[in-house]
Amino acid sequence: QLQLQESGPGLVKPSDTLSLSCSVSGGSITSPNYYWGWIRQSPGKGLEWIAYFYYSGANYYNPSLEGRVTISADSSNNRFSLRMISVTAADTAVYYCVRHADFWGLGTLVTVAS
Amino acid sequence: QAVVTQPSSLSASPGASASLTCTVRSDVNLGNYRIYWFQQKPGSPPRYLLRYNSDSDKERGSGVPSRFSGSKDASANAGILLISGLQSEDEADYYCMIWHSTAGVVFGGGTKLTVL
Repeated sequence: QLQLQESGPGLVKPSDTLSLSCSVSGGSITSPNYYWGWIRQSPGKGLEWIAYFYYSGANYYNPSLEGRVTISADSSNNRFSLRMISVTAADTAVYYCVRHADFWGLGTLVTVAS
Repeated sequence: QAVVTQPSSLSASPGASASLTCTVRSDVNLGNYRIYWFQQKPGSPPRYLLRYNSDSDKERGSGVPSRFSGSKDASANAGILLISGLQSEDEADYYCMIWHSTAGVVFGGGTKLTVL
């Protein structure tokens, strides 16, 4: 069974860079026909897509976040990462790594505060 | 105007059917898009329920009961999630999603379904 697990800091200071990693087991991130990426959910709010990548190397970003986020893949370790610069309190959320659209990690809460 | 909108809440009785709508902005041709549906309960990640584009292009997620089905209402430019035989365990937030050609992956704001 495919499993995804997020890891990263629970607390990030405003204006700093947030880095998250997603470890994948039970399947390969280089499998054709699947997109992998990140979705977040602010406390008490709805879901917001951040970014996807495809095994071929194509990346897709939410236009509202493009320029602040980078998604990257490490196929040798079957994991992928998210980097978000210049974070603010508005970036406080549970961050999920996903395989579009059927498998989700449990999520990791990131709080942006000084 | 948001690309995808959902009513914020819906109530229905146990054993009844609930029809959750996902209205796509009028300039977006719903016929070109798969509609994805997710269920989320407090403290848990969203669960993939199903996707629907047409009767020949649809999929229910692993382990999802056949009580959950999808469709489209072309006249309303909306996707529909139908839950039949409502059970108390169906009480949750439900989100729809499409992958728009320029906006990317877009979620509706979610519908809180109350079973009472």
